Amino acid sequence: QITLKESGPTLVKPTQTLTLTCTFSGFSLSTSGVGVGWIRQPPGKALEWLAFIYWDGDKRYSPSLKSRLTITKDTSKKQVVLTMTNMDSVDTATYYCAHRSVAPPALAYWGQGTLVTVSS
Amino acid sequence: EIVLTQSPATLSLSPGDRATLSCRASQTVTSLLAWYQQKPGQAPRLLVYDASNRATGIPARFSGSGSGTDFTLTISSLEPEDFAVYYCQQRHNWPWTFGQGTKVEIK
Repeated sequence: QITLKESGPTLVKPTQTLTLTCTFSGFSLSTSGVGVGWIRQPPGKALEWLAFIYWDGDKRYSPSLKSRLTITKDTSKKQVVLTMTNMDSVDTATYYCAHRSVAPPALAYWGQGTLVTVSS
Repeated sequence: EIVLTQSPATLSLSPGDRATLSCRASQTVTSLLAWYQQKPGQAPRLLVYDASNRATGIPARFSGSGSGTDFTLTISSLEPEDFAVYYCQQRHNWPWTFGQGTKVEIK
């Protein structure tokens, strides 16, 4: 059974750095074709891709946020970490991590999401 | 960046009705398009991948079609639990992108 869970602060101040951890079980991030991504959703708005990391370490970032994002993985700990620098109120959102496999080649498993509020 | 435009923004229907949701891409995504359902307070749920393949456990009333730039998600007969927001998402080019969503609400 594949599960993912996001953890991190629920409140950050403007200009601070956000660090979110996705802890997963039921799959290995060293298996060919597997990846984990981060997606966010501001309240009442649409989903937005942030970053993605493949089993082989290949990383992809949203071009509009690339300068602020870093995604890393710890295969042995079964964790994927996202850092976002220089947080602003517009970054207030629910942040999800999700698993992508080869079959199906889509985000079949999602974490429950974590709401991050940016406020002084 | 590929822009996905979903229409309509809101669909007001009754249980038992047929729902037809559209997703149009700003350039071809071949068949690399997925559909997700999201209910309030929940994470999205994968319905369809690669345009027309139902994900595991998804009822047969959900079907996807299309290729290139025009895609459709059809719900043949709406059940009460189908009233939700639906998103399309492409994986043809990075950055992968989502549409802005279509809300299917009870009329």
